[in-house]
Amino acid sequence: QLQLQESGPGLVKPSETLSLTCIVSGGSISSRGSFWGWIRQPPGKGLEWIGDMFYNERASYNPALKSGVSISVDTSKNQVFLKVYSVTAADTAVYYCARRTSLGYFQDWGQGTLITVSS
Amino acid sequence: QSVLTQPPSVSGAPGQRVTISCTGSSSNIGADYDVHWYQHLPGTAPKLLIYANFNRPSGVPDRFSGSKSGTSASLAITGLQAEDETFYYCQSYDTSLSGSRVFGSGTKVTVL
Repeated sequence: QLQLQESGPGLVKPSETLSLTCIVSGGSISSRGSFWGWIRQPPGKGLEWIGDMFYNERASYNPALKSGVSISVDTSKNQVFLKVYSVTAADTAVYYCARRTSLGYFQDWGQGTLITVSS
Repeated sequence: QSVLTQPPSVSGAPGQRVTISCTGSSSNIGADYDVHWYQHLPGTAPKLLIYANFNRPSGVPDRFSGSKSGTSASLAITGLQAEDETFYYCQSYDTSLSGSRVFGSGTKVTVL
């Protein structure tokens, strides 16, 4: 059973960099056909895809966010990372780590971690 | 605003059938990209309900079904149950602006 668990600081100050980690267990992030990424949900709003990547390829990003985010993986630790640069209040959201299949759907999700941007 | 439009809410009595529409355009659903559906109780992990337009993952009741036509897709729930009261999202791929995975605006299902 694949499990994804997000972790993060909870509270970030405006203009700082948000760093999130997703620990993947029960499967390898280098497995064929698996893409690893992040999705967020601002309070009272819907789901927003941030981006995802195959373990040894460049990440793909939401064009609306591309300049301010970065996704990477560490295969030795089986972890996925997200960085959001120069955060603002608009980045306040629940952030989910997810596994996307090569057919385009997100099959496995973490429970999510709430990130609040506030001074 | 999402490029995939869903009704904000639908409702039905227990046992009834409800449908949720997901309206896109020629750059996503109309470009023959697959539509997937998720059930999401806020505060928990979203759950894949339908993949590739009409396929149900193992463990999803056959009360849930998906369809797609032209630039739209639909999720139907038959035999509505109290436990179905939550949020539902469609998802596809959009080729505009360099390409992006996109989610629908979300629909809250209320069981009367």
